[in-house]
Amino acid sequence: AQSVTQLGSHVSVSEGALVLLRCNYSSSVPPYLFWYVQYPNQGLQLLLKYTSAATLVKGINGFEAEFKKSETSFHLTKPSAHMSDAAEYFCAVSENTDKLIFGTGTRLQVFP
Amino acid sequence: DGGITQSPKYLFRKEGQNVTLSCEQNLNHDAMYWYRQDPGQGLRLIYYSQIVNDFQKGDIAEGYSVSREKKESFPLTVTSAQKNPTAFYLCASSIDGRNQPQHFGDGTRLSIL
Repeated sequence: AQSVTQLGSHVSVSEGALVLLRCNYSSSVPPYLFWYVQYPNQGLQLLLKYTSAATLVKGINGFEAEFKKSETSFHLTKPSAHMSDAAEYFCAVSENTDKLIFGTGTRLQVFP
Repeated sequence: DGGITQSPKYLFRKEGQNVTLSCEQNLNHDAMYWYRQDPGQGLRLIYYSQIVNDFQKGDIAEGYSVSREKKESFPLTVTSAQKNPTAFYLCASSIDGRNQPQHFGDGTRLSIL
């Protein structure tokens, strides 16, 4: 069965620092992986998606994620955090089905 | 602009009352989904529909009902059988479901009076 684990429910960084949000997945077949961002009282917005075309995926707002099959990971990074990056981030996996399985989310705080 | 519209933004329910949350999309997507979001629990799937007049239960369907009479509309009814309905409800859609990213509305926050 597919599942997603996001390590760290809260992550705090200083403005300008590296952002690293962790996501590990469990899947019996090559997965499709997604990162979403959610601002307060809003829906989820797609940041990026992995569909096996390339292991390093670039998304919106300067974010990128690298698919590492050996580590079953799909961590989200951004070289330099902005105050506007403060939000909740969700990793999701699809295993050739109609459903996405979401992680429990990581709340990112950015301090000036 | 194409998108998903959820209404109302805020909704209050009295004990023993059914309430219906609206979800409309103009993206011409085949698949639609309803999720419940509680703090610290991520998103949990309530119901989903891949085609008009057909829908499937998700992980937490008890106390909820849906209909899919039109491609663009997927309303969710929270019935009186749902004993803990206070949550943030999100509607989503995707082109054809399988392995596709989902597009989300801005949610409805339901509270109990």
